[in-house]
Amino acid sequence: EAGVAQSPRYKIIEKRQSVAFWCNPISGHATLYWYQQILGQGPKLLIQFQNNGVVDDSQLPKDRFSAERLKGVDSTLKIQPAKLEDSAVYLCASSLQGQNPGDTIYFGEGSWLTVV
Amino acid sequence: GNSVTQMEGPVTLSEEAFLTINCTYTATGYPSLFWYVQYPGEGLQLLLKATKADDKGSNKGFEATYRKETTSFHLEKGSVQVSDSAVYFCALRGGGGNKLTFGTGTQLKVEL
Repeated sequence: EAGVAQSPRYKIIEKRQSVAFWCNPISGHATLYWYQQILGQGPKLLIQFQNNGVVDDSQLPKDRFSAERLKGVDSTLKIQPAKLEDSAVYLCASSLQGQNPGDTIYFGEGSWLTVV
Repeated sequence: GNSVTQMEGPVTLSEEAFLTINCTYTATGYPSLFWYVQYPGEGLQLLLKATKADDKGSNKGFEATYRKETTSFHLEKGSVQVSDSAVYFCALRGGGGNKLTFGTGTQLKVEL
């Protein structure tokens, strides 16, 4: 079974530029998550989708970050304009359903962003 | 809100040593508990989980028991290998919040 796919793996941009990350979840998974992992810290949830609707975006910096999940499958996370503190790994994850706390959440390999 | 506290690393062990990584949590109700592992340059992989009190999760020689009375989920392995070198994250979900909340991670280095 294919896992969660993400691209690009690595990106270096200058501050104030924009960047977009793409994610394709495991087939059949209704719930998709974007996490931000800053070096030396645990991942932090940015946004959670259930199919193509947003369930939780309370920690998404909406002045510069946006995300969409058209047709309830693939998702794109965009940052515009980027700041130095946005340097992190952006992890996409998916699970079958979002309501059961015992469901396993599967992670992709991450997109590593460096803002200079 | 929910939170997870892990012992700080790095933890450096010799091969075949016994491993314990402490994890305690704060949550209302009864969350599910997880250990994830992150190898260098890779994403997070689920190592094991437990969904109710006194459950023991186990995988690849690692195990952890859900202790409600001490709000803990310590990770143990009887004999570590060099290939176990990675960062280990304790996490919880449910119990007042449905999102997966992580600890800060503990880096494990195993030397020959």
